[in-house]
Amino acid sequence: AQSVTQPDIHITVSEGASLELRCNYSYGATPYLFWYVQSPGQGLQLLLKYFSGDTLVQGIKGFEAEFKRSQSSFNLRKPSVHWSDAAEYFCAVGTANAGGTSYGKLTFGQGTILTVHP
Amino acid sequence: EPEVTQTPSHQVTQMGQEVILRCVPISNHLYFYWYRQILGQKVEFLVSFYNNEISEKSEIFDDQFSVERPDGSNFTLKIRSTKLEDSAMYFCASSDNRNTIYFGEGSWLTVV
Repeated sequence: AQSVTQPDIHITVSEGASLELRCNYSYGATPYLFWYVQSPGQGLQLLLKYFSGDTLVQGIKGFEAEFKRSQSSFNLRKPSVHWSDAAEYFCAVGTANAGGTSYGKLTFGQGTILTVHP
Repeated sequence: EPEVTQTPSHQVTQMGQEVILRCVPISNHLYFYWYRQILGQKVEFLVSFYNNEISEKSEIFDDQFSVERPDGSNFTLKIRSTKLEDSAMYFCASSDNRNTIYFGEGSWLTVV
């Protein structure tokens, strides 16, 4: 069965510093990978996704993620963090339905809470 | 940007009562989902729905749960007889055929 591990429960960075959030997955086939962000009291907002092709994926809000098959990783990065980036970040792997047309059954990691110091 | 909307945002119910959580998915989407997040735990898949039928469900989605798309726009999750352990944030999601999955803001259910 697929699984997702986010090793860091809580990360604190200073505003303007670079950020990397780690994500490791376990999945037997080609993974479909997602990063979501959840601000307090809000829903899950899609930051970016990887299905195939270029292993460096650009997302919204200046985020990017790199798929590394050899390391089973899909780490999220941002070169300069803003105070508004403080939130909880979730990595997820999608698995296909029986017809292979939908990958919406997502398995989530436990999330990483990001705190940004001014 | 189109969005998935959910109602109610928060509901408190007594144990044993029936609850219906409502969702309006994005209009041209084909696949619909319910997830839940118990406080302090991971977001968990409950069920997926396509072409007016359940396409997949998790072990959590037992006979107490049901889903319905009653009128072509709404997508509902019903819990027939709520238990304390059903207290959670319930997320509705929808996706198009490009598998971009959008989540709603969630419905927080508290069972007392």
